[in-house]
Amino acid sequence: QKEVEQDPGPLSVPEGAIVSLNCTYSNSAFQYFMWYRQYSRKGPELLMYTYSSGNKEDGRFTAQVDKSSKYISLFIRDSQPSDSATYLCAMRDTGGFKTIFGAGTRLFVKA
Amino acid sequence: ETGVTQTPRHLVMGMTNKKSLKCEQHLGHNAMYWYKQSAKKPLELMFVYNFKEQTENNSVPSRFSPECPNSSHLFLHLHTLQPEDSALYLCASSQDNGNEQYFGPGTRLTVT
Repeated sequence: QKEVEQDPGPLSVPEGAIVSLNCTYSNSAFQYFMWYRQYSRKGPELLMYTYSSGNKEDGRFTAQVDKSSKYISLFIRDSQPSDSATYLCAMRDTGGFKTIFGAGTRLFVKA
Repeated sequence: ETGVTQTPRHLVMGMTNKKSLKCEQHLGHNAMYWYKQSAKKPLELMFVYNFKEQTENNSVPSRFSPECPNSSHLFLHLHTLQPEDSALYLCASSQDNGNEQYFGPGTRLTVT
């Protein structure tokens, strides 16, 4: 079983839709949860990170963590064509620098 | 230059060649990382350096040799690679722990 599972998509939505991206994980020691966005031919860029369970909102983006279910989500409201990218979830425990990434979900937002 | 830069952006090498990838961060961070990104696979952490000291080596074959002369520069020396090593190699940096990593644009490596 992979440590982090993420549906690769692609996910295609119309402009203005609410997008839900998800990851599941197996290691209960993970405490920090990150979402990165990667455009084609670019490196990933951090969107947001959360610690432990709960919600965090930043503009059109909301990250949710449910540690009891080992499930994290990223919601994008009022999606735009510029949101078209691959979204990577990532997570780590409290020690060291090792971060485990999901394989990424490819998102297309159609104008 | 700002952020994290990587050179070259593209590299084609034969299996018997020796080449090096370079990464430089202009963010004042103390930790630097090498990742391998293959199609439809998760990013694979290869090496981590914190204040120039290697803290992670994720069972990487010895044909990949990292070097970190200072906190701003990171190299990946490549020698007798295999075709399956063809991938995007990403460098990242962070301040303190790895929660906020800043990535470079990557080097697209093709081994022929």
